Amino acid sequence: GAVVSQHPSWVICKSGTSVKIECRSLDFQATTMFWYRQFPKQSLMLMATSNEGSKATYEQGVEKDKFLINHASLTLSTLTVTSAHPEDSSFYICSARDIGDLTYNEQFFGPGTRLTVL
Amino acid sequence: QKEVEQNSGPLSVPEGAIASLNCTYSDRGSQSFFWYRQYSGKSPELIMFIYSNGDKEDGRFTAQLNKASQYVSLLIRDSQPSDSATYLCAVRNNDMRFGAGTRLTVKP
Repeated sequence: GAVVSQHPSWVICKSGTSVKIECRSLDFQATTMFWYRQFPKQSLMLMATSNEGSKATYEQGVEKDKFLINHASLTLSTLTVTSAHPEDSSFYICSARDIGDLTYNEQFFGPGTRLTVL
Repeated sequence: QKEVEQNSGPLSVPEGAIASLNCTYSDRGSQSFFWYRQYSGKSPELIMFIYSNGDKEDGRFTAQLNKASQYVSLLIRDSQPSDSATYLCAVRNNDMRFGAGTRLTVKP
């Protein structure tokens, strides 16, 4: 099956610093990748849709200047949390859609990145 | 009204029983429907998807879809303790929207 990786799997940082999370599709190409955030005991909340070669589309209430998304290639999207604060501590999960899947539009999830801001 | 609604549970069933998980959605234009399983601290993993009305079976899992009622369900037969997890219903039109998930506990 299709594999999506994320790096790092966990990160602890000080308040005010920036953190970059990478999402890679390992065995398929993805024109579209999605970034989700999940707080404890809550569901996944879509933050933004990342399209290769164009600007990301952010969901209402998500600050685009705080959560910078870059999708520079068909296999890599990055999410940078700028000036992180403790309330940004969460589980960040990316997913990707196979460019060749025109039928079911299944999304493949990465293993997630646990961010803790001190 | 939430786009995708699930009973948050927890749902508790004895080992060997049938677990029934339900989901309703609001967007009539939705085209594909997915069930994911998520263990605590882990990323969701796909169990099944369905896009036509009716039943779809895969091993111990059966997904049921009724587009007229905007309802999709997942049945787990012969439930095992390892099935204990949160089950997420997801519905796709242009993008994928998730329900809040139902926490299932299978007791030995």
